[in-house]
Amino acid sequence: KAGVTQTPRYLIKTRGQQVTLSCSPISGHRSVSWYQQTPGQGLQFLFEYFSETQRNKGNFPGRFSGRQFSNSRSEMNVSTLELGDSALYLCASSLGEGLINEQFFGPGTRLTVL
Amino acid sequence: AQSVAQPEDQVNVAEGNPLTVKCTYSVSGNPYLFWYVQYPNRGLQFLLKYITGDNLVKGSYGFEAEFNKSQTSFHLKKPSALVSDSALYFCAVRDYIRDSNYQLIWGAGTKLIIKP
Repeated sequence: KAGVTQTPRYLIKTRGQQVTLSCSPISGHRSVSWYQQTPGQGLQFLFEYFSETQRNKGNFPGRFSGRQFSNSRSEMNVSTLELGDSALYLCASSLGEGLINEQFFGPGTRLTVL
Repeated sequence: AQSVAQPEDQVNVAEGNPLTVKCTYSVSGNPYLFWYVQYPNRGLQFLLKYITGDNLVKGSYGFEAEFNKSQTSFHLKKPSALVSDSALYFCAVRDYIRDSNYQLIWGAGTKLIIKP
């Protein structure tokens, strides 16, 4: 079974631009969660989607948004990029609800904002 | 504020000795607790979780964790360490925010080094 895949793996953007990251979960998994990982703040939960609905949301500004498609693939969008958005963005999939079950993580997308 | 603390940035253990990686938490309500491991150049991997029931939880690779409600702790343990256990370990807890909305709060991580 293929693991969680994320595209692109690396991305460089400039301040003010917007970016869209993609995540393909393990086949059959209905939950996709997104996380931001930085050296200063560590791992922080962004949001979780389950069966195309946002189930849970962390304490991030509205510039961070996401969606999930009927095939469970998910995208995360960040608008009006700031320097502080530079981070490794991880997605994780789960068979059931992500915040109470085992999550399988992808390799991440490394975003650099210049 | 709700939080997860991993008080040790790094833990050094000799191969064959028992190991403990500490985690304490502060959340409202009953905690849902997790341990994940990140090996070099590999993604985060699930080790174990505590939802309810027996306070001693067994997980992958011979790891176990003990939930202690009075001390609000969920320490990760292994009776005999292997060099291959060297990795970065994260503790996480589900936290209720509001209006049926939850989040997962993560500790800062503990680097475990097992010396031959």
